[in-house]
Amino acid sequence: GQQVMQIPQYQHVQEGEDFTTYCNSSTTLSNIQWYKQRPGGHPVFLIQLVKSGEVKKQKRLTFQFGEAKKNSSLHITATQTTDVGTYFCAGTDSWGKLQFGAGTQVVVTP
Amino acid sequence: SQTIHQWPATLVQPVGSPLSLECTVEGTSNPNLYWYRQAAGRGLQLLFYSVGIGQISSEVPQNLSASRPQDRQFILSSKKLLLSDSGFYLCACSRALETQYFGPGTRLLVL
Repeated sequence: GQQVMQIPQYQHVQEGEDFTTYCNSSTTLSNIQWYKQRPGGHPVFLIQLVKSGEVKKQKRLTFQFGEAKKNSSLHITATQTTDVGTYFCAGTDSWGKLQFGAGTQVVVTP
Repeated sequence: SQTIHQWPATLVQPVGSPLSLECTVEGTSNPNLYWYRQAAGRGLQLLFYSVGIGQISSEVPQNLSASRPQDRQFILSSKKLLLSDSGFYLCACSRALETQYFGPGTRLLVL
């Protein structure tokens, strides 16, 4: 069955630095979604990518969907303490089933 | 836009006791509904999903069950809780292949 893998599992970042988290699927995806979960909170939808090679930006966050629609990345520039949390990717397969990755837990050091 | 309510927010239950967690959705009709469990510091494990009233699909074998008595009501139950049932239970809804929106969750501690 479909598996969605996220790396790294943990990311320690100095405030002001950039970092990237990656999401890889064993099968081609219909779309990919990204969610952010703040400590103690629930996952909140960030963005959805649908087209092959699609790139979307939200302020300091840049999301990419691979050409083969099997991988995605989230790049954050000039990290701030408000970026703390766990970032999940979730892929929808051809049967419409959404599977979440295990998440990347981001810790920001001032 | 839809709003998801979950209660209770937190729950401490002894091993062997029953469980009933409720999720209700406002602002949408005929949604797909989901129950996830999240262990501390871990990812989301899909437990059940429902595409309509009375239609429940189970993703993993366990001692939990789910029911959907109304279009916008989803209930997670257990007859006898285990220690391993502790976790953060999240209800989510979506329309077809669209984004999933999560409720605030219920933190369950089984002692």
